[in-house]
Amino acid sequence: DQQVKQNSPSLSVQEGRISILNCDYTNSMFDYFLWYKKYPAEGPTFLISISSIKDKNEDGRFTVFLNKSAKHLSLHIVPSQPGDSAVYFCAALWIGNEKLTFGTGTRLTIIP
Amino acid sequence: ETGVTQSPTHLIKTRGQQVTLRCSSQSGHNTVSWYQQALGQGPQFIFQYYREEENGRGNFPPRFSGLQFPNYSSELNVNALELDDSALYLCASSIRGAGARGTDTQYFGPGTRLTVL
Repeated sequence: DQQVKQNSPSLSVQEGRISILNCDYTNSMFDYFLWYKKYPAEGPTFLISISSIKDKNEDGRFTVFLNKSAKHLSLHIVPSQPGDSAVYFCAALWIGNEKLTFGTGTRLTIIP
Repeated sequence: ETGVTQSPTHLIKTRGQQVTLRCSSQSGHNTVSWYQQALGQGPQFIFQYYREEENGRGNFPPRFSGLQFPNYSSELNVNALELDDSALYLCASSIRGAGARGTDTQYFGPGTRLTVL
């Protein structure tokens, strides 16, 4: 039972344009969401998070949007840079439960 | 400040054997979580340790066990290895209470790639 889903295994975006990565979840108990980035041979690196009491959180080039009614969140990267090429994982938890539930990841390739 | 480190980097075992993977937490972190990442999948939560006690467990059988030591380093032990145990094993450390309860940011190590033949 995949409670966090990333339906796009891969995405290619031109350098300088906007990258939009999507994530859906099914468990309505989730109330905190995170994005991690992973390069080959490295562990996932925390990127940005959002609490369910918000619908947007911004950090530099990265913005996460949360639509609770649709159980959907997205990560926007603008402008996209070659160093953004990596696998991006969406993860979720509910406050009081220490377990991160991850999606299957989206491989983002930025084309120079 | 050193980050999360894991050893060994790679490991090959045969079915039925036992394996121990090690993790050193980031300095000042008191909580460690272990995840299994199979090929093409996202990391799956195995368990978490806080103050040397197991604090939450995912859907993994008892042959997956762990330890956390007073210096907050940790071990993951897997007995009676099966072919499906082949995966990348990730350790993540965090500071309990740094964020609102349950939202402590977890920092991952590079992982140990385990191959079971």
